[in-house]
Amino acid sequence: DIQMTQSPSTLSASVGDRVTTTCRASQSSSSWLAWYQQKPGKAPKLLIYKASSLESGVPSRFSGNGSGTEFTLTISSLQPDDFATYYCQQYSSYPWTFGQGTKVEI
Amino acid sequence: QVQLQESGPGLVKPSATLSLTCTVSGGSVSSGSYYWSWIRQPPGKGLEWIGYVYSRGTTNYNPSLKSRLTISVDTSKNQFSLNLRSVTAADTAVYFCARATYGSSWYNLWGQGTLVTVSS
Repeated sequence: DIQMTQSPSTLSASVGDRVTTTCRASQSSSSWLAWYQQKPGKAPKLLIYKASSLESGVPSRFSGNGSGTEFTLTISSLQPDDFATYYCQQYSSYPWTFGQGTKVEI
Repeated sequence: QVQLQESGPGLVKPSATLSLTCTVSGGSVSSGSYYWSWIRQPPGKGLEWIGYVYSRGTTNYNPSLKSRLTISVDTSKNQFSLNLRSVTAADTAVYFCARATYGSSWYNLWGQGTLVTVSS
């Protein structure tokens, strides 16, 4: 299995901050990586696919980068609605796996 | 607009079978090329991919669950289902159904999730 490791586990930030979270894969997943946002009691929401493609309707302050084993999700200017947990998911090989999440808190 | 809705018992006894159904509305489970999937999340923890049934009936399961797992599709009811046998407390989780497109494999459609607790 490809293990996905996200860092940091928790990120403290303020409205307007630029924040970046990292996802590292135990082996190359090429660009087959997605990012999701999850709020308490809700289903995850797709933000980014193919490592850097923005899902329709997602604000442009979200961006993804990387390939191979290292990926980043950046929020250019943190908004109140962005406080949530973010997960990466590789779909390069089975079983598809998720990172353990990065919680962005105030 | 396609929507997914999970249903099933919220409490299952240890060693029993956990059975959940995902009803597809606004679209057909047999149209297109989709991975009709299950993903779970233990309380306070991260996401675990369980597996999928492809629109044409083939399946792919997480090896960690494969020996206990069946995912199937019922086109007459426009549903797909999860059966997980011999459950333990470790199977307590919120179970989500979700859809990915063949060749894309990211999940852009999710159900709201349903909590299943394994306890006597």
